[in-house]
Amino acid sequence: GAGVSQTPSNKVTEKGKYVELRCDPISGHTALYWYRQSLGQGPEFLIYFQGTGAADDSGLPNDRFFAVRPEGSVSTLKIQRTERGDSAVYLCASSQGQNSPLHFGNGTRLTVT
Amino acid sequence: QQQVKQSPQSLIVQKGGIPIINCAYENTAFDYFPWYQQFPGKGPALLIAIRPDVSEKKEGRFTISFNKSAKQFSLHIMDSQPGDSATYFCAASMKIGAGGTSYGKLTFGQGTILTVHP
Repeated sequence: GAGVSQTPSNKVTEKGKYVELRCDPISGHTALYWYRQSLGQGPEFLIYFQGTGAADDSGLPNDRFFAVRPEGSVSTLKIQRTERGDSAVYLCASSQGQNSPLHFGNGTRLTVT
Repeated sequence: QQQVKQSPQSLIVQKGGIPIINCAYENTAFDYFPWYQQFPGKGPALLIAIRPDVSEKKEGRFTISFNKSAKQFSLHIMDSQPGDSATYFCAASMKIGAGGTSYGKLTFGQGTILTVHP
């Protein structure tokens, strides 16, 4: 079937604006993750959902970042009052759960001008 | 203690060569060590992974060597091909979530850009 789908693939926004990034995980995958990848760096963990609840949000950098997964499938990462330092590729990954490998999407490239 | 240090930053080999990428970690609670391959504009894709109860794992042309006492692990790519040219990331994790249900909170290394010349 289809892999992890992320939309939009690119987003350009002005400093101070609000953005939403969407992730459609692989069907049936109960675990969902958000990572952020800055240029030339490895991905950094942001948040992990098991079902509808955030099981670990320790990677969210500050309270401008928030993520939801209301029905246990699609997830939205929300960034308020964007800053230029938020510019990065935001990656979503899903897995079947315990001891299962992560499947990453191709990411959303966010540019804050 | 959460860092994973990866070297070299970049690596150039000829077709057929055996590039070796090294990683070191500090947190002894890590017990899952995957390697990911990433092409430009794409997300990382899992290549191979190892747990600390074994010292070596092979899958096709990819081999992980693991040294628990030294807290180091490495990726070897046998008979490398131009199509292997990509960025490679090592990572490490421990179980998280209620009841320890996931290894998905990965700490990644900084990446190695591999170029394989024809």
